[in-house]
This record gives sequence, structure tokens and C-alpha cells, in this order.
Amino acid sequence: GAVVSQHPSWVICKSGTSVKIECRSLDFQATTMFWYRQFPKQSLMLMATSNEGSKATYEQGVEKDKFLINHASLTLSTLTVTSAHPEDSSFYICSARDMDSNQPQHFGDGTRLSIL
Amino acid sequence: KNQVEQSPQSLIILEGKNCTLQCNYTVSPFSNLRWYKQDTGRGPVSLTIMTFSENTKSNGRYTATLDADTKQSSLHITASQLSDSASYICVVISGSGGYQKVTFGTGTKLQVIP
Repeated sequence: GAVVSQHPSWVICKSGTSVKIECRSLDFQATTMFWYRQFPKQSLMLMATSNEGSKATYEQGVEKDKFLINHASLTLSTLTVTSAHPEDSSFYICSARDMDSNQPQHFGDGTRLSIL
Repeated sequence: KNQVEQSPQSLIILEGKNCTLQCNYTVSPFSNLRWYKQDTGRGPVSLTIMTFSENTKSNGRYTATLDADTKQSSLHITASQLSDSASYICVVISGSGGYQKVTFGTGTKLQVIP
């Protein structure tokens, strides 16, 4: 089945550091990728929608200068958390959808980000 | 406002027993409804996808139902196994193509005990 690989799976870093998270679709071309954030015991919250070759669309309340998204190819999107602070600590999950929008989104395994 | 509500919030059952999870939604216009299983610390994995015209869909021991008139769905798990312990998320898709809107439920946390 379709596989989405997310890397790294766990990051611990100091406050002020910028962290890059990669999301790759391994066996299909993803015209659209999504980035979510999930706090403990809560559901996924969509942060932004990333379309290959164009600027990402951010949800209300998500700072685009804080969470930089690049979707340079049909198989790779990156999320960079710039100057991370402890309140940015969360579980970040990406998902990818192939050209057939009726297919389900395929989720990565998430990245647990801990800012000290 | 598009909303997806799930119940119960959490559930503990004995291994081998059956259980049913509920999902009520107010999303419009409806495109399809999906159930996902999310293991702790992992990304969600799709279990079923149901369109407007489908009432029941099975995937192994998982059976999903959909009543588009009452805007309700259920996920029935038969003969539960310890590995079924996870959060189950109901997701409703509205719109189509590049204008799809995805609304996530808050999930039901299922724990299967021996």
C-alpha cells in the first residue's frame, strides 16, 4: 500500500533552534501534502496545505513565518519550525494525497518535537 | 460550523468482546467519511472510506456503517484483540477536488485488556 515516510521521528533540541521535518511519499506522487499538529489526547489540527510548486495555504492562527513549508517535488514536503520554543513542542504529522482526490490521505508516522 | 463528534471518548473492553464506536457529524456538503486507527505515537491508518450511497463497509473485523440522513456513522469491531488498542478517528470530507475540507473527530480511545 501507499507509504508516507516522515523523518525524524523524534527531535529534542534547545529553545531557539530551527528544526526541519521531512515528509516523503515513497510509492506515489503527492500533489498535495498536509501538515498537522497533535497535542496529547487531542485530535489532529490542520496547520497548512501544501501543493507542489506553489505556496502553502495556512490555517487561521498558524504563523507562516514560524512554520515554513516547502513542497519542491511531488514526493517531498518539508516543515521547518523556526526559532522553536517550548510551546512548539508537539507531535507533528504529515499526510499526502495522490492525484486521485477520492483516495484517502496517507499519514506519516509523525515527529515528536520536544523543545527544552 | 462543520463538526464531527465521537462517542464514547474512551472505552475499555475485554479481549474477544465486540464494541461499537459512534460518530455524528454536521459537515456539509458531504463527500465521504473515513475511519482511521491511530496507535500511540504513530500516524493514523485508514480503515474504511464510505461515500454518500454506501451504508456498510467491512475491512476484516472492522465494519463501518453510514446513515447519511441522520448524519451518523458507527465503527463496529468484532472479536477484539489486544492490538486493537488505539485511538479511532472519524474523519468527514466535504467538497471535492482542490476545495476539499477535512474535519477530524476528537477520537475514541479504545483499550482492549486480557
